[in-house]
Parts: sequence; structure tokens; C-alpha cells
Amino acid sequence: GIQVEQSPPDLILQEGANSTLRCNFSDSVNNLQWFHQNPWGQLINLFYIPSGTKQNGRLSATTVATERYSLLYISSSQTTDSGVYFCAVEDGGTSYGKLTFGQGTILTVHP
Amino acid sequence: KAGVTQTPRYLIKTRGQQVTLSCSPISGHRSVSWYQQTPGQGLQFLFEYFSETQRNKGNFPGRFSGRQFSNSRSEMNVSTLELGDSALYLCASSDDTEQFFGPGTRLTVL
Repeated sequence: GIQVEQSPPDLILQEGANSTLRCNFSDSVNNLQWFHQNPWGQLINLFYIPSGTKQNGRLSATTVATERYSLLYISSSQTTDSGVYFCAVEDGGTSYGKLTFGQGTILTVHP
Repeated sequence: KAGVTQTPRYLIKTRGQQVTLSCSPISGHRSVSWYQQTPGQGLQFLFEYFSETQRNKGNFPGRFSGRQFSNSRSEMNVSTLELGDSALYLCASSDDTEQFFGPGTRLTVL
């Protein structure tokens, strides 16, 4: 099946710093989503971005489908940005409703 | 629109028992997917239902089963619970594009 690798596994920042999280995937995809998991376990949708670039406030994301990677940018980080960030993909075959997740990036933002 | 809801939020069971978890999708969504999250294995896909039909299934033993009702609500059942079934169980609903997740059910097996 499709493989998803996220980097870095851990990231520690000071408040106000910028960061880039990367997601590499091994095959063509129909769907790519970025999530933030809060301390209670809920997955919060950040972006639905199988291709192209999107921005939402301090966050933006770019997916280059032909090169099989996606980037999540966080600017002017805040302590509330701390948590685990997941990239998840649905491959281009008949993977109805099946998201394959990366192992996540644990982001810690210090005040 | 109301989000995805899951009940119960927390559950404690003993080995050998069975459990049923419930998921109500976003209104109008016909696809419901289930995932298991553990510290060791991360987030893994269990199965997906669309209009009461299972369209896709992950690599879990037959003790894990599910169903979907005509109103798109879904249940998953785990029989003969094992210690390793302790996990956060997440469901997601979709209009066949973006998936939206519920808050999860945290199952502890003693």
C-alpha cells in the first residue's frame, strides 16, 4: 500500500518562529489532508489539498502531486499551535474512504 | 451543521467482553470511516461504509466488525476484547472528498 513519511518527527520552537513540516508519499493520491490533533485526541481539519496551494491565516500548505510531497507552513507560531500534526492521503486506486496517515510531527511551542 | 458525534466518549471493559461504539456523521454525508489509534501503531484504518455497504476494509481480525444504518449512522463492534484493543477509536464522515473526524471513543481493556 501507499507509504506516508513525515518529517521532522519532533520540532521545538520559540513563540513567533516559523516552521515547515513535510509529508512525502509513495504513490499518486486522490486526497491529501493535514490535521492537528488536540490534547483530547480530536483531529482538527487544517487543509484538504490534493494539489496546489492554500492559505488560512498563519497556516498555509502546498502539495506538489507530481513530486509526491506536501508542505505545511506555520508562521509566527503560538503556544496554542503545540500538538501533533498529521498528513493523511487516500491513494489513487479504489481506496474508498481509507486515509493512510503518517506518523506525525510533534510540535512544541515555548513562550 | 453539527459535527461528527461519537458515543460513548470513554469506555472500560475487561478481556473477553464485547463492545459497540456509535458514530453519527455530519448531516448529508453518506460515507463513514473508522480508525484505531494506538501509541505503537499510530492511526490505522478499520473499514468504511457508504450507503449501508462496506466498501473498504483494513487489516484487522474478524473480531472487528461494523455496520451502517439507513440514516448513515454507523456502529462498530469488537468481540472477545484483548488488552491490545485498548485504543482511541475515531470515526470520520465524508461526502466522498474531505473527511471530518469525531472526538473519538477511548476504550480501555483491563
